[in-house]
Amino acid sequence: KNQVEQSPQSLIILEGKNCTLQCNYTVSPFSNLRWYKQDTGRGPVSLTIMTFSENTKSNGRYTATLDADTKQSSLHITASQLSDSASYICVVSAGAGGTSYGKLTFGQGTILTVHP
Amino acid sequence: DTEVTQTPKHLVMGMTNKKSLKCEQHMGHRAMYWYKQKAKKPPELMFVYSYEKLSINESVPSRFSPECPNSSLLNLHLHALQPEDSALYLCASSPFPKTYEQYFGPGTRLTVT
Repeated sequence: KNQVEQSPQSLIILEGKNCTLQCNYTVSPFSNLRWYKQDTGRGPVSLTIMTFSENTKSNGRYTATLDADTKQSSLHITASQLSDSASYICVVSAGAGGTSYGKLTFGQGTILTVHP
Repeated sequence: DTEVTQTPKHLVMGMTNKKSLKCEQHMGHRAMYWYKQKAKKPPELMFVYSYEKLSINESVPSRFSPECPNSSLLNLHLHALQPEDSALYLCASSPFPKTYEQYFGPGTRLTVT
């Protein structure tokens, strides 16, 4: 069964500090991994997407890493801001060809709270 | 335009009501999705449409009825819902077959009383 596990479940940090969120997955065959940010009551917004051959991808203050051998990914947030308070969801796509649908497996998310 | 829009933003309905949720995208995507998300849980896939045809129904109760009238629009018709159906309903779209490139809408917050 395909699974995505995230840690920690929740995290509280002070504004300006850095933090790292973790994602472990068992999805086969692996296609790609995406980190989403979801504000409360809003839809998820994509931050980064990585395929098997990529091990680092940055988007502003967000840097994602991928180790396809250990099936682990991390999302590092630099110089956190109050607006970073949200749920961060790791989503892994199983490979699919032709007209098949590559189903997404969602992690439970990490709830990040940034305090002033 | 990389936006998926959903209406209404909030909906309160009784268990005997009939209502519809609407979703629209103008990115030329040929795959569209409905998800249900409960508080502090990840989204759960309900339906997938590809080229305006229903391709996946994740064993969703018949009180939820999807409809894809054209390549830009996706509806979810609701009838005789239960209080436990209260949730955030998310619509997404993606190119086909790049179904991993899903763009999500802002969601409709549904409350069933």
